[in-house]
Amino acid sequence: QLQLQESGPGLVKPSETLSLTCTVSGGSISSTDYYWGWVRQPPGKGLEWIGSIYYSGSTYYNPSLKSRVTISVDTSKNQFSLNLNSVTAADTAVYYCGRSVGTTNIADHWGQGTLVTVTS
Amino acid sequence: QPVLTQPPSASASLGASVTLTCTLSSGYSNYKVDWYQQRPGKGPRFVMRVGTGGIVGSKGDGIPDRFSVLGSGLNRYLTIKNIQEEDESDYHCGADHGSGSNFVVVFGGGTKLTVL
Repeated sequence: QLQLQESGPGLVKPSETLSLTCTVSGGSISSTDYYWGWVRQPPGKGLEWIGSIYYSGSTYYNPSLKSRVTISVDTSKNQFSLNLNSVTAADTAVYYCGRSVGTTNIADHWGQGTLVTVTS
Repeated sequence: QPVLTQPPSASASLGASVTLTCTLSSGYSNYKVDWYQQRPGKGPRFVMRVGTGGIVGSKGDGIPDRFSVLGSGLNRYLTIKNIQEEDESDYHCGADHGSGSNFVVVFGGGTKLTVL
């Protein structure tokens, strides 16, 4: 059974870089059938797509975050990662990693999420 | 890119039915929308995809037959019949737009469903 687990610091200081990793188990991140991505949810608000990556390294980013976001993949560890730089309080959110089916873009599996708070 | 609009809240009594609405912005009436259920403290769970012809593809794993969808014009509906306590969740709709370097995914603001 596919599982995704987010990990990383729960607190980040303003202007620093938020770094999270998603570990995939029960399936291979190198599969040609799927994309892997990140979504966030600020407290009390809706979901916001951050971006996605294919196992080959091709990336797709939310235009509103593109200048600050990098998503990368490590196939040897079956992980993919999110870096968001120059964070502010507005980046405080629960961050979710997920898998999307390549042919339909349906996000069929998600992690439990991890809360990241930006605070000095 | 489309904008998806959802009412912030809805409620229904145990055993009753409720229909949740996701409205696409003008000009996007041919778009499909994905419905996600998010129980408190959990990650989203894919429910099903809906277009103007109804469900597209299959329901998500473990989604009961009580859940169904319809699409009409700019509206995409999720109906839940015989509501159970475990249906109390936030429901999000999402859609993808574009391709290649212009690909984006957009979500509505979510609807919080309260079971009375």
